[in-house]
Amino acid sequence: NAGVTQTPKFRVLKTGQSMTLLCAQDMNHEYMYWYRQDPGMGLRLIHYSVGEGTTAKGEVPDGYNVSRLKKQNFLLGLESAAPSQTSVYFCASSYLTRGTNQPQHFGDGTRLSIL
Amino acid sequence: AQSVAQPEDQVNVAEGNPLTVKCTYSVSGNPYLFWYVQYPNRGLQFLLKYITGDNLVKGSYGFEAEFNKSQTSFHLKKPSALVSDSALYFCAVRDMNSGAGSYQLTFGKGTKLSVIP
Repeated sequence: NAGVTQTPKFRVLKTGQSMTLLCAQDMNHEYMYWYRQDPGMGLRLIHYSVGEGTTAKGEVPDGYNVSRLKKQNFLLGLESAAPSQTSVYFCASSYLTRGTNQPQHFGDGTRLSIL
Repeated sequence: AQSVAQPEDQVNVAEGNPLTVKCTYSVSGNPYLFWYVQYPNRGLQFLLKYITGDNLVKGSYGFEAEFNKSQTSFHLKKPSALVSDSALYFCAVRDMNSGAGSYQLTFGKGTKLSVIP
């Protein structure tokens, strides 16, 4: 059981380049999330999805787009990378339940540097 | 709006001593509260959660947390620290009344725990 898998693990981009980060989960979770982690700022939610074909903006969505064409995959796209997007990106997933909250399961991150 | 504060950037404790990592929260309704741990170059791992009921919550690896509604706190504790507990710890909150359609956790900025041999 792999859990949440992120690819790639590392990437260096030049300003203006585009790329897509892939997140895959094998736990049949309904919810999926993309966060960025920056020193001293904790985790900030970029976008999230409550199910296949649906996405929503989080706290810091500008400069990013997402798609969830299949339940198990959640893609994060950078159309024109900027140095301010240098960060560690984490994908997470969780069950949708009523009355309780299930913990989020995280991947090991993608370390992205933009020069 | 919901928010979390972890007032200490770093906590140092000697191996074998009890440890406490502090967390305070703010929500308009009742809170769901979580603690996660992050080891170097890894994602966050779930430790424990408070939903309702007993104020003392027990979790993984011998950790526990005490919910205090009057002080709006959810401090993480362990009776005897291990060197292997050294990591980054995050507290997170969700307002129970925010609805399933807006299931968003708000994380604190993290506290680095160093256990000294």
